[in-house]
Amino acid sequence: HITLKESGPTVVKPTQTLTLTCTVSGFSLNDNGVGVGWIRQPPGKALEWLAFVYWDGDKRYSPSLRSRLTITRDNPKNQVVLTMTNMDPVDTATYYCAHRTLFDSSGYPGGLDYWGQGTLATVSS
Amino acid sequence: QTVVTQEPSLTVSPGGTVTLTCASSSGAVTSGYYPNWFQQKPGQAPRSLLYNTDTKYSWTPARFSGSLLGGKAVLTLSDVTPEDEAEYFCLLYFGGVELGWVFGGGTKLTVL
Repeated sequence: HITLKESGPTVVKPTQTLTLTCTVSGFSLNDNGVGVGWIRQPPGKALEWLAFVYWDGDKRYSPSLRSRLTITRDNPKNQVVLTMTNMDPVDTATYYCAHRTLFDSSGYPGGLDYWGQGTLATVSS
Repeated sequence: QTVVTQEPSLTVSPGGTVTLTCASSSGAVTSGYYPNWFQQKPGQAPRSLLYNTDTKYSWTPARFSGSLLGGKAVLTLSDVTPEDEAEYFCLLYFGGVELGWVFGGGTKLTVL
């Protein structure tokens, strides 16, 4: 069964780079049509989509954060890594990774079906 | 920048029916935005409920349904139970590299 688990530092200093890892199981990052995305949620606020990486290497980024984000995958390790540069206190949030299937069995675009538990990253000096 | 708007809060009585909406500042929400709906309880990760407007996952209770109405995506909860008290988020796909995926601000549903 599909699981995802996020890991990363709990505290980063302003201007530093945040590196988060999503370790997946129950599927392969090479599986046709599979994608893994990152979503964040500041305390008490709404969700915000950050990035996706797909089985074929395609990458998509939030336009507002594109300049600060890099998403990569390590297929043998079953890991997806997100880096965010120049961190600021407003970037304090719980960061989630989620699984997506590009198309479901009926050929329709799939949703973000499985989510990790999230990891809280606090930006503070 | 496109904004996706949801009711900030709604209250429903147990056994009742409630509709939550999801609107886009860029115009009417259509099936091409592939609306998704998520439920989130305090301290928990979001749980997926619906995708592609009205498609349920195997774990989605039958009392949850999705549709499009009046230019908005709609999530309808029927026969509401206290366990449905949660925050609900919609997600819209705007396509291409310009906007990507945008979440709504969330609706806090109280069952009272």
